[in-house]
Amino acid sequence: ILNVEQSPQSLHVQEGDSTNFTCSFPSSNFYALHWYRWETAKSPEALFVMTLNGDEKKKGRISATLNTKEGYSYLYIKGSQPEDSATYLCAFNDYKLSFGAGTTVTVRA
Amino acid sequence: DVKVTQSSRYLVKRTGEKVFLECVQDMDHENMFWYRQDPGLGLRLIYFSYDVKMKEKGDIPEGYSVSREKKERFSLILESASTNQTSMYLCASSPGANSPLHFGNGTRLTVT
Repeated sequence: ILNVEQSPQSLHVQEGDSTNFTCSFPSSNFYALHWYRWETAKSPEALFVMTLNGDEKKKGRISATLNTKEGYSYLYIKGSQPEDSATYLCAFNDYKLSFGAGTTVTVRA
Repeated sequence: DVKVTQSSRYLVKRTGEKVFLECVQDMDHENMFWYRQDPGLGLRLIYFSYDVKMKEKGDIPEGYSVSREKKERFSLILESASTNQTSMYLCASSPGANSPLHFGNGTRLTVT
């Protein structure tokens, strides 16, 4: 089973603060790295698909970076809002798409 | 918008029953996937398919099989349901390699 690890497992952030968390994956056979946001009672929604070493993607206050050589990606949330509360999943594609266990973010007002 | 439809939102089955979970997508996507989600374990890949009649094992295929006779439909089959298959099952599709997944709403299966 592919080892895709996310840390921390959960974190609490004060509204307005910025935060970031990590996805680590094997550095061989890399096709792509995906990020998804999963809100309670909804289906996971895609944030980014990243394919190149050094890729940086941005969507509103959320951004991500990718380092394929060392096998990690960071997701950043700038100025956290309560609506950012969700579980953030990364998925590594080396032909099949395997997910990490997620980082659950709770933003306190 | 892409629509991925899973036939049941909630399902209760007995141990030993044969169970079919159906998934249909309406956007002519090549790729389809079945995952199960358990607390603390994230999404684990059961089976996937990159073309009609093609299927490949994911990370946890034991106790499951799949069928993809038509491009839009990907069925997950539990040949003989067991209590450890009680879980949330999510189907997803994507148009091609390195494209984002579109997920269905999930089927919460309880095996008693």
